[in-house]
This record gives sequence, structure tokens and C-alpha cells, in this order.
Amino acid sequence: EADIYQTPRYLVIGTGKKITLECSQTMGHDKMYWYQQDPGMELHLIHYSYGVNSTEKGDLSSESTVSRIRTEHFPLTLESARPSHTSQYLCASRISGTEAFFGQGTRLTVV
Amino acid sequence: AQSVAQPEDQVNVAEGNPLTVKCTYSVSGNPYLFWYVQYPNRGLQFLLKYITGDNLVKGSYGFEAEFNKSQTSFHLKKPSALVSDSALYFCAILNQAGTALIFGKGTTLSVSS
Repeated sequence: EADIYQTPRYLVIGTGKKITLECSQTMGHDKMYWYQQDPGMELHLIHYSYGVNSTEKGDLSSESTVSRIRTEHFPLTLESARPSHTSQYLCASRISGTEAFFGQGTRLTVV
Repeated sequence: AQSVAQPEDQVNVAEGNPLTVKCTYSVSGNPYLFWYVQYPNRGLQFLLKYITGDNLVKGSYGFEAEFNKSQTSFHLKKPSALVSDSALYFCAILNQAGTALIFGKGTTLSVSS
């Protein structure tokens, strides 16, 4: 098992609420990623980070934001959740030349 | 532009039979290729990768993949399928900037007993 953790695993929240999805890794990886995945569907990169204080938007436009203040921590925030944000969010990390390690995912439902 | 294609949405095989899950790619330069498996309500688990070296790569759980540069393919194989291999399989490539993995759409493998 990879040492990358996502919390919560499941979240049901009302429209308009602010939420933060947590992702932490203990492997010292410099690169971290957030992917969005609808059930049984392809993954879309929404954010990535090369290291502390570095964040970039991915291929899929997202209303979420991320921060990277510490190497091990890469939280994703939605300021105002909407039903269209209902999805699974997967966090991953890697170092150059290696595969990515994934967390277990957070399944978000906005009602 | 780089891309990954998995032409089959679903592959059905009987237990004990060999399985193949197909993947083709497009990228400039030498590709870094990966296979992942996803079980329901879980994250992705790494199976194997091709960076350089032998074209036949062996990975976890008895899976292997063959890199074919001329056909730009990286098909996942297993000599004898198990019911427990039933899952969603993703092929991925490192993008040309080397910054992130790009994933195919995924192939659902169903192994019947």
C-alpha cells in the first residue's frame, strides 16, 4: 500500500457549502495531483503541483482551488459546492521517472 | 499532442483463459507507459510500467505488458485469468512535459467462472 491518504472517503454536503478535501503523503514526493473521475469513467487532471508553493491547473477546468504549503499536504477546496461537483476525487503523488501512487479517493455528493 | 487510447470498453474472458487489454499511444519521443487497476470504490493500484529496456514488462499479480514501438502499443496480458482480476484497467502515459500522467478511458475486464 502506498503512503498517501485522502479524507474523508465519503462526503455528502448541501449546495453552497465550502468544503476541503484533504490529501497527505509521507513519501516525500515533490509532485502531487488531483484527478476527477465519474464512477467507472476516465480520469481528468484538474490540478497539479511540482513542489511547495507551486500549483497549476490541469486539462479539465475546475472551480476548485488547491494549495501546497507543505510538501506532504495538497488540499483541494470548493468555495461553494454545487450538484455538478458530485464526483470522485483522486489524489496522487510521484517523483520524476516513477509511477504515480494514488490515494483511496473521496466520493463527493452535493445535494 | 500526446494521447492514450483503449479501444475496448469491456473485455470478457473465462477463468483460466488468457486475457489481453489493449492500449495504444501517441507521443513524441520515448514514451513512459503505465498500467493501473481500479476496484470498485477504490483508488488506482499500479500494475507495471515501461520506461526503457526489455519490451516485455512483468508486473504485479501475474500481469505483463508488451511494448511495441512500431505499432505504438502497450497491451496488458495475463496467461490465465482469475475471477478476482475483474476490475477497471487504465493505461497511462507520461505527458511530453514530464509533468503528469494522461489516462485512457479505461477498460472493464470481466472474468467469468
